[in-house]
Amino acid sequence: GQQVMQIPQYQHVQEGEDFTTYCNSSTTLSNIQWYKQRPGGHPVFLIQLVKSGEVKKQKRLTFQFGEAKKNSSLHITATQTTDVGTYFCAGRRSGGSNYKLTFGKGTLLTVNP
Amino acid sequence: NAGVTQTPKFRILKIGQSMTLQCTQDMNHNYMYWYRQDPGMGLKLIYYSVGAGITDKGEVPNGYNVSRSTTEDFPLRLELAAPSQTSVYFCASRAGTDYNEQFFGPGTRLTVL
Repeated sequence: GQQVMQIPQYQHVQEGEDFTTYCNSSTTLSNIQWYKQRPGGHPVFLIQLVKSGEVKKQKRLTFQFGEAKKNSSLHITATQTTDVGTYFCAGRRSGGSNYKLTFGKGTLLTVNP
Repeated sequence: NAGVTQTPKFRILKIGQSMTLQCTQDMNHNYMYWYRQDPGMGLKLIYYSVGAGITDKGEVPNGYNVSRSTTEDFPLRLELAAPSQTSVYFCASRAGTDYNEQFFGPGTRLTVL
């Protein structure tokens, strides 16, 4: 079945440093979504990427979708303590069920003030 | 709108007991999902529904059952609880069109002893 892998599993940074998490799928994706889960909370949608090579920005967050639509990345510039949490990517397999997302295991980001 | 609500927030079960996790959404979404989240393991899809009266299995359906008699409600039933079902359970919903974000409930933390 489809697998979505995320690296790193954990990342600890000093406040102000940059952070990147990478997502790789075993199959081509029709779209990829990113979610953030604060400690003790529930996943909250951040963004969706659909087009090959797409880049989207949300303030200090930059999201990319690979040309082959099999990988994606989330980059945070100048991290803040409010960025703490687990970041998940979730992909919908191209040609597969329209109903289901496969989630990566997530990257836990901690920020030292 | 309350969004997606789940009850209870916490529950401790003894091995062999049964219970129902409740999930309700007030956004008139067609698609609803049940996930379980184990530490460091991301979100695993248990069951999903594309509308009232229609349900289907996800990745890890064994030991669970669902029903969808109304658009709003999607309860998850655990029969004969086992320690392996200790987890955090999230319900989510999505509107009926393509490429929409999933809205998650606050979760139910279940411990089976």
